[in-house]
Amino acid sequence: KQEVTQIPAALSVPEGENLVLNCSFTDSAIYNLQWFRQDPGKGLTSLLLIQSSQREQTSGRLNASLDKSSGRSTLYIAASQPGDSATYLCAVKGTGANNLFFGTGTRLTVIP
Amino acid sequence: GAVVSQHPSWVICKSGTSVKIECRSLDFQATTMFWYRQFPKQSLMLMATSNEGSKATYEQGVEKDKFLINHASLTLSTLTVTSAHPEDSSFYICSARGGAPETQYFGPGTRLLVL
Repeated sequence: KQEVTQIPAALSVPEGENLVLNCSFTDSAIYNLQWFRQDPGKGLTSLLLIQSSQREQTSGRLNASLDKSSGRSTLYIAASQPGDSATYLCAVKGTGANNLFFGTGTRLTVIP
Repeated sequence: GAVVSQHPSWVICKSGTSVKIECRSLDFQATTMFWYRQFPKQSLMLMATSNEGSKATYEQGVEKDKFLINHASLTLSTLTVTSAHPEDSSFYICSARGGAPETQYFGPGTRLLVL
């Protein structure tokens, strides 16, 4: 069964810093990988989706990379802002799976 | 973009009562809907997957007689927590897959508190 792990579990950075969130998965046979943002008590907002054939995706200050062979993905946030404070979840969809497997999340706090 | 709604957004009920949560895809037809549960400071755990007109497929450890799922149409799925107990208190999130290209969209979640 696919297992998804995110490191670190929590991260605090001062405003303006660049930061990297990590995601690793045990089964490299994935269909795609997705990064989500979740604000406290709220649902999920999709940030970036990387297909298995892609290496990275960019949206504004966010850049996600995928190394399928090593079972890793990173989410890079440039010039962090207090509004970026949230929990970030990565999720993978296996080639033979119908659903998403979610990571444990990284709780980010950007200090003004 | 596509929108998935859930109703209610939060509910408080007494132990032993049943609670129904609705999940709707507002501007697309959802071929598949998913129900997740999230405990505080934990990630989302898939409870069940349902396709319109067929029985839901439950994940291991999820009691199908306790968590009744009905996927009556391509835009509506319901989750009924029967005889709820305090340990069922959680954040329930539904997700609907559909559209072109096919994408999985998430609802805003329903917070259930069982007293």
